[in-house]
Amino acid sequence: GAVVSQHPSRVICKSGTSVKIECRSLDFQATTMFWYRQFPKQSLMLMATSNEGSKATYEQGVEKDKFLINHASLTLSTLTVTSAHPEDSSFYICSARDRRIRGEAFFGQGTRLTVV
Amino acid sequence: QKEVEQNSGPLSVPEGAIASLNCTYSDRGSQSFFWYRQYSGKSPELIMSIYSNGDKEDGRFTAQLNKASQYVSLLIRDSQPSDSATYLCAVTRNQGGKLIFGQGTELSVKP
Repeated sequence: GAVVSQHPSRVICKSGTSVKIECRSLDFQATTMFWYRQFPKQSLMLMATSNEGSKATYEQGVEKDKFLINHASLTLSTLTVTSAHPEDSSFYICSARDRRIRGEAFFGQGTRLTVV
Repeated sequence: QKEVEQNSGPLSVPEGAIASLNCTYSDRGSQSFFWYRQYSGKSPELIMSIYSNGDKEDGRFTAQLNKASQYVSLLIRDSQPSDSATYLCAVTRNQGGKLIFGQGTELSVKP
């Protein structure tokens, strides 16, 4: 299947700082990427849809000023958690759909964010 | 009613048995259906996709789709302890839009 790479896999940051997470589609172009967060023992929660060259579409209840998304190219989307707080600690996962294979969605490795 | 529903489990089966995972969805416009496996602490991994009514087999996995009943299932034959994971069902209307996930079914295969 297609390859989606996410970096970093783990990050620990101090409360009040910002953290950037990168998501790359390595062998296909992704006009749309998706950002999820997942708390322990819970399912994936879609945060936003990242659209290449335009603004991201955020799900209800997700603060767009706190979770900044940039999709500047067809292979790269970034999520920046601004002014992070301990409650932002979670597992963040990106995904991209490959239209070459009927839109199958592939996930990055995920980023474990811990805010101390 | 949730858009995609799965039994949360845990579903426990003995090694070598068939594990049956079920999923129902509410949007009749759904066109694509996926099963993902997620190990604890890891991201989801695509294991099966299905687009038309009937069965689709891939190794020990068989996906079944019934659009009239809005039902999709995953059968795992000869279950192995390494199959122990959470299985996520996902549906979507088109090739580019967001996937709607169920809450996942935790499967435990006992040696």
